[in-house]
Amino acid sequence: DTGVSQDPRHKITKRGQNVTFRCDPISEHNRLYWYRQTLGQGPEFLTYFQNEAQLEKSRLLSDRFSAERPKGSFSTLEIQRTEQGDSAMYLCASSRSNTGELFFGEGSRLTVL
Amino acid sequence: GESVGLHLPTLSVQEGDNSIINCAYSNSASDYFIWYKQESGKGPQFIIDIRSNMDKRQGQRVTVLLNKTVKHLSLQIAATQPGDSAVYFCAENANDYKLSFGAGTTVTVRA
Repeated sequence: DTGVSQDPRHKITKRGQNVTFRCDPISEHNRLYWYRQTLGQGPEFLTYFQNEAQLEKSRLLSDRFSAERPKGSFSTLEIQRTEQGDSAMYLCASSRSNTGELFFGEGSRLTVL
Repeated sequence: GESVGLHLPTLSVQEGDNSIINCAYSNSASDYFIWYKQESGKGPQFIIDIRSNMDKRQGQRVTVLLNKTVKHLSLQIAATQPGDSAVYFCAENANDYKLSFGAGTTVTVRA
C-alpha cells in the first residue's frame, strides 16, 4: 500500500498523559498536513509542512501540541497533558506542492478518559 | 469569518436516482474547490475538484458545478448506488492549499 499511513489507528489515554501520532506520507509528496476532526464536523486544519519546514500553525494548535517533520518524510504530532477536549480523529494528508489534492490517511482516533 | 458550508446536513436518495449535494462558500478569493467522500471510520477520499476558471467538470458518474456569482458549488452523482452512502465534504482553497472544509452532508441510499 503506497497511501498515507497513520499510527496508531486508535489510542485511549487518561487525562494528563502525553500521546504521539505518526504519519508516513506518500513518498514523493513534499507537503504534509495535520487536521483534526470531531464527530459530525469537517476536518479542521492544524498545521502543515513543506519538506521539513513547518509553514503554519493554526490557532487551534495550543502550546500543548507540537508537530515535527525532521527529515522531510514522516511526521509526528505530540499532544502533552491531554485533556478530554482533545478527543478527536487526527488526520494526516500529503500532497505535491501547489497541486491542490490532499491524500488523506485513515486517521488516528484519540479518546481521552 | 469566512467559511465553507453545506446547505443540508442529510440527504436520503433512492438507489438509481441522481443525487445533488450543495455547498455555499463565502471567500471570494478561493480559486480551487474539491469534494471528498468519507465513509465511517475512514479518512476522506478524493472525488473531484474544480478550479475557479471553470464552471463545470465531469468525472465518472460525478459532476461538479461552480457558480462564482452566487458562491455556490454542487456535486451531482448519477445513478446513486448503495456504495455512495457516506458523508460528503466540500473544501476550498483560499491560501496555499490549506483546504478549509464544510460540515458535511450525510447521504443515505435507500434500496
